[in-house]
Amino acid sequence: NAGVTQTPKFRVLKTGQSMTLLCAQDMNHEYMYWYRQDPGMGLRLIHYSVGEGTTAKGEVPDGYNVSRLKKQNFLLGLESAAPSQTSVYFCASSGRLAGVANTGELFFGEGSRLTVL
Amino acid sequence: AQSVTQLGSHVSVSEGALVLLRCNYSSSVPPYLFWYVQYPNQGLQLLLKYTTGATLVKGINGFEAEFKKSETSFHLTKPSAHMSDAAEYFCAVIWTGGYQKVTFGIGTKLQVIP
Repeated sequence: NAGVTQTPKFRVLKTGQSMTLLCAQDMNHEYMYWYRQDPGMGLRLIHYSVGEGTTAKGEVPDGYNVSRLKKQNFLLGLESAAPSQTSVYFCASSGRLAGVANTGELFFGEGSRLTVL
Repeated sequence: AQSVTQLGSHVSVSEGALVLLRCNYSSSVPPYLFWYVQYPNQGLQLLLKYTTGATLVKGINGFEAEFKKSETSFHLTKPSAHMSDAAEYFCAVIWTGGYQKVTFGIGTKLQVIP
């Protein structure tokens, strides 16, 4: 009963280092999202995907890249980490709206806490 | 522009008192409406949702919300607060049309005072 799984849960980076966050979902969802959560700023959408092989920019995409090579996985990459990217990152997935069969509810992972020194 | 407004980033209530968390949205078409709850160091989980039909929806842990189209509101209530209700609550809207865009409010932290 995994749902949405994020790895790693914690990571400390030095400025300029790179890393990838992995999100995996086992619900066959079409849509996947990456958000960042910062105090007083709510959830901000970084990138999203509406299906395998597709990605698009959200509100705050700068400094991040994503890939969705497989339907169940959505990767978030930081090529050159900056202190401003210190945050908690959440992955979420949802099915396509389909009346009562699917109402677009988001399923979230438990978060990945990233600190950039 | 489409937006979701949660009035009050912090709300404090006494244990046993009414909980009222406010959410308003801007939209020209009926959206899908959600409330999510986030407990400390956890991800968000669905509390309740409105899609179509009855405008008063019930969720988990005794919470409910009423969709008022004329007021573009979806306020969350609970008659009697419990200590375990202390968490952050997010209102969210799916704007139908386009890519199924989800917009979150900024969140309201609920403190329950014994």
